[in-house]
Amino acid sequence: AQKVTQAQTEISVVEKEDVTLDCVYETRDTTYYLFWYKQPPSGELVFLIRRNSFDEQNEISGRYSWNFQKSTSSFNFTITASQVVDSAVYFCALSPPISYSGAGSYQLTFGKGTKLSVIP
Amino acid sequence: DTEVTQTPKHLVMGMTNKKSLKCEQHMGHRAMYWYKQKAKKPPELMFVYSYEKLSINESVPSRFSPECPNSSLLNLHLHALQPEDSALYLCASSQDVGGTYNEQFFGPGTRLTVL
Repeated sequence: AQKVTQAQTEISVVEKEDVTLDCVYETRDTTYYLFWYKQPPSGELVFLIRRNSFDEQNEISGRYSWNFQKSTSSFNFTITASQVVDSAVYFCALSPPISYSGAGSYQLTFGKGTKLSVIP
Repeated sequence: DTEVTQTPKHLVMGMTNKKSLKCEQHMGHRAMYWYKQKAKKPPELMFVYSYEKLSINESVPSRFSPECPNSSLLNLHLHALQPEDSALYLCASSQDVGGTYNEQFFGPGTRLTVL
């Protein structure tokens, strides 16, 4: 069975502070994908990143960076110099093995989400 | 164009009404999904269409009826809903159902209220 844990339910930071959102996952599969999505108050889930289990390189995209550590089953997300527009619920998600092409491969297992509030 | 559109944005309906939610994507994606999201919860998968055929129905009550008229359109027909069905309904699409092209792109959702 797959499981994603986002232990931080809500985080508040003051604008320009850095913030890290934690994601810990459980899976018996040796290959898999990890995702982060952002859901602002408007409701739309915005795709941020996909990482496959073969690639443990950290990734940086502007103010966003992701730290994937297979040894600790973690895929943490850091926002540098946070802005009010970063206020949203952030979901970490896990999908089955890359080798799957059948019906089960679509299944995204979401964490419960972390609500980030950036205060001006 | 990485856009999935959904109509209507908001819908209020009575328990005896029949209504439909519509989803459209023009990215050439072959997989489309319906999710239900209650407040302060993650999305829950309802249906998956792959190449216009229903792949998965995650034990959803028959008062929800999906339809995929073509590769760009996905409908969700609603009939005799209950107040507990009030939620945000999200549509998503991906290039394929699995493998390398499985990232799902979501629409803005329809906020449904059942009175």
